[in-house]
Amino acid sequence: NAGVMQNPRHLVRRRGQEARLRCSPMKGHSHVYWYRQLPEEGLKFMVYLQKENIIDESGMPKERFSAEFPKEGPSILRIQQVVRGDSAAYFCASSQGQGIETGELFFGEGSRLTVL
Amino acid sequence: AQRVTQPEKLLSVFKGAPVELKCNYSYSGSPELFWYVQYSRQRLQLLLRHISRESIKGFTADLNKGETSFHLKKPFAQEEDSAMYYCALKPKNTGFQKLVFGTGTRLLVSP
Repeated sequence: NAGVMQNPRHLVRRRGQEARLRCSPMKGHSHVYWYRQLPEEGLKFMVYLQKENIIDESGMPKERFSAEFPKEGPSILRIQQVVRGDSAAYFCASSQGQGIETGELFFGEGSRLTVL
Repeated sequence: AQRVTQPEKLLSVFKGAPVELKCNYSYSGSPELFWYVQYSRQRLQLLLRHISRESIKGFTADLNKGETSFHLKKPFAQEEDSAMYYCALKPKNTGFQKLVFGTGTRLLVSP
């Protein structure tokens, strides 16, 4: 099992461009989470998805950010019209269950976005 | 709202010395506490969770509800313990989307 796969590992964008980050969960995992880590801060929850459904997007900025997890293919975090403040490491994680009582969260290696 | 505080950005010790990475939390309900570790060039991974009450790689952590702490301890540090350590909390009986992380402590173990 290759684990949670994220790409690209590094992405450079100019202000106003779009950034697309992809995440393939571990085999057999249907729960996907996106976290953002700003410099000098901890990981902060953004969005939780299951196949074709957004379950919880309470951590997503209201504008410019969107996420999807289609029936086929990876989960995608999309940032439109990027600004310098979007520069961060974006981590994807997956789990087999919701993690309410047991289970483990598995993380990808992260995608580091730099906005010039 | 819950909050996790790791007061030390960097902790530097010599091999064989005891290690304590501090974690304090703020949450009025019943918490579940975790320690995650990220070794150099590797993914963030679960080290231990308080409900398991187990020792992993010689590390232990006890939940102290009176002091709202969940410090990570190891009696004799090894060079391979050098890594970034994150304390995390979620309310009991909630899903992973409720997980809140501290800012992390970098542990450096010198020979």
